[in-house]
Order: sequence, then structure tokens, then C-alpha cells
Amino acid sequence: DTGVSQDPRHKITKRGQNVTFRCDPISEHNRLYWYRQTLGQGPEFLTYFQNEAQLEKSRLLSDRFSAERPKGSFSTLEIQRTEQGDSAMYLCASSLDRNTGELFFGEGSRLTVL
Amino acid sequence: GENVEQHPSTLSVQEGDSAVIKCTYSDSASNYFPWYKQELGKRPQLIIDIRSNVGEKKDQRIAVTLNKTAKHFSLHITETQPEDSAVYFCAASYILTGGGNKLTFGTGTQLKVEL
Repeated sequence: DTGVSQDPRHKITKRGQNVTFRCDPISEHNRLYWYRQTLGQGPEFLTYFQNEAQLEKSRLLSDRFSAERPKGSFSTLEIQRTEQGDSAMYLCASSLDRNTGELFFGEGSRLTVL
Repeated sequence: GENVEQHPSTLSVQEGDSAVIKCTYSDSASNYFPWYKQELGKRPQLIIDIRSNVGEKKDQRIAVTLNKTAKHFSLHITETQPEDSAVYFCAASYILTGGGNKLTFGTGTQLKVEL
């Protein structure tokens, strides 16, 4: 499968713990996005990378959230001191051509904070 | 920022009937309008998209129309089949720094096609 892959697919953690999610985009895609999706809602934009540069962050991304894409390939999203409100599906997407516009999503990492 | 509203939230049709889902957007700068289909527990997948310089686009049983003046766009599915049952999301986007697309999604429509 050469699509976007995310790991882990499911994570259950206790409030206050730190969690990290990994995303491997489609290999030739230089743009990478993180979205968050809660039950019954559409995905919400969190942040965007072009190569290794983080070019935009949503106001939804509090200082407990940090994302990196150190070599312009895979990306990590870390949540520190998790809260119950962080429970959601975290979706990664990648794209290549701005003119096409299509985002290719991964299957997501589901976070449950107890 | 952009705001996208989507209606209805649920839609039930008989197999073979047509389904229409409508969205409105707020930011006149948006110029790209994709529709994604998400099956339960699966990733969102693009089914059709339209750009602001086009009023209508069709792909087999799926069509999308765009009215820039009124800032609304619609998804039309004809001859619905049980496998069309899923959640459908509309989205609108503007170009980010560096050329990326920041999609703002609607709240989704749960389509159920009944036999």
C-alpha cells in the first residue's frame, strides 16, 4: 500500500500523559497536513508543512500540541499533558500539486483520553 | 475564516433514487470545492471536486454544481446504490502560504440508501 500511513491506529491514555502520532505521507508528496475529527463532525485543520517547514498552524493547536517534519518526509504530532477534550481521530493527509488540490488522507489515529 | 454549512445532516433514499446534498461557504476567496466520502472507520476519500471557474462537473453518477454568486455548491448522486451509503463531506479551501490547500469541511451528511 503506497498511501498515507499513520501509527498507531488506536491509542488509549490517561489524562496528563503525553502521546505521539506518526504519519508517513505518500513518498513524493511535499505537503503534509494534520486534521482532527471528532464524532459527527468534519475534519478540522490543525497544521500544514511544506517539506520540513511548518507554514501554518490553527488556533485549535494549543501550546500542548507540537508537530514536526524534520526531514521533509514523515511527521509526528505530539500532545503533552493530554486532556479528555483531546479525544478525537487525528488524520494526516498529503498532497503534491497545488493545482490538483486533492488531499490524500490516512486512516487516522484514534486517541481516547480516560 | 471560512465557514462551511452543510445540509441535510442525514438523508435516506430508496435505491435508484437521486440524492442531493447542499453546502454554503462564507469566504469569497475560496476557489476549490471538493467532496469527500467517508465510510465507517475509513479514511475520507475524494469523489469529485470543482473549481471556481467552472459551474458544473459530472463524473458518471456524481455531479457537483457551484453558484459563486450565492456561495453555494451541491452534490448530486443519481441512481443511488447501497454502496453509496456513507458520510459525505463538502469542503471549501483557499491557498495557503507555499501553495497548500487549507480545507474547511462541512459537518457531514449521513446518506443511507435503502433496498
